[in-house]
Amino acid sequence: AQSVSQHNHHVILSEAASLELGCNYSYGGTVNLFWYVQYPGQHLQLLLKYFSGDPLVKGIKGFEAEFIKSKFSFNLRKPSVQWSDTAEYFCAVYFNNDMRFGAGTRLTVKP
Amino acid sequence: EPEVTQTPSHQVTQMGQEVILRCVPISNHLYFYWYRQILGQKVEFLVSFYNNEISEKSEIFDDQFSVERPDGSNFTLKIRSTKLEDSAMYFCASSEYRVGGGAPGELFFGEGSRLTVL
Repeated sequence: AQSVSQHNHHVILSEAASLELGCNYSYGGTVNLFWYVQYPGQHLQLLLKYFSGDPLVKGIKGFEAEFIKSKFSFNLRKPSVQWSDTAEYFCAVYFNNDMRFGAGTRLTVKP
Repeated sequence: EPEVTQTPSHQVTQMGQEVILRCVPISNHLYFYWYRQILGQKVEFLVSFYNNEISEKSEIFDDQFSVERPDGSNFTLKIRSTKLEDSAMYFCASSEYRVGGGAPGELFFGEGSRLTVL
């Protein structure tokens, strides 16, 4: 079965530090990849998505992600985090009308 | 901007009671989903729905759960006899499907319905 792994459960960074959150998936076929963010007390929001084309995808709020097919990875990056980036981040994989989420990574940014 | 709306935002119920959570997906979307998130845990897939029938469901989606699209706009999740462990945030989502193998479109999520079972 398709699975999505996020290896970092909780990441704590200081403002201006660089961020990289890992995401790996298990299926080798054609997939669509997403990162969602959930700010405290709010609903899931789409950060960015990859369907095809350039494997480096830019999203909102300065986030980007790189799809590396050979590694089955779709890591999320941001060069310089802000306190307002404190949230839970979910990687998701869409295949054949089914969306599966990773367990989420909680990001805490210290001011 | 079109959005998925969910009601109620918060429902408190007694164990054993029936609960119906309602969702209005984006009007031109064809695929509908329910997910849940137990406090402090990951987002879990419950069920997907297309063409008035369930496309896929997870092991969580047992006989206590059912989904329905009673009219052209609403998509409901019913829990027949709630248990304490059903307490969670339930998210509805919808997506646009493009026939021909094109990009399926992103999932658009509602703000969630918090269910508290006492």
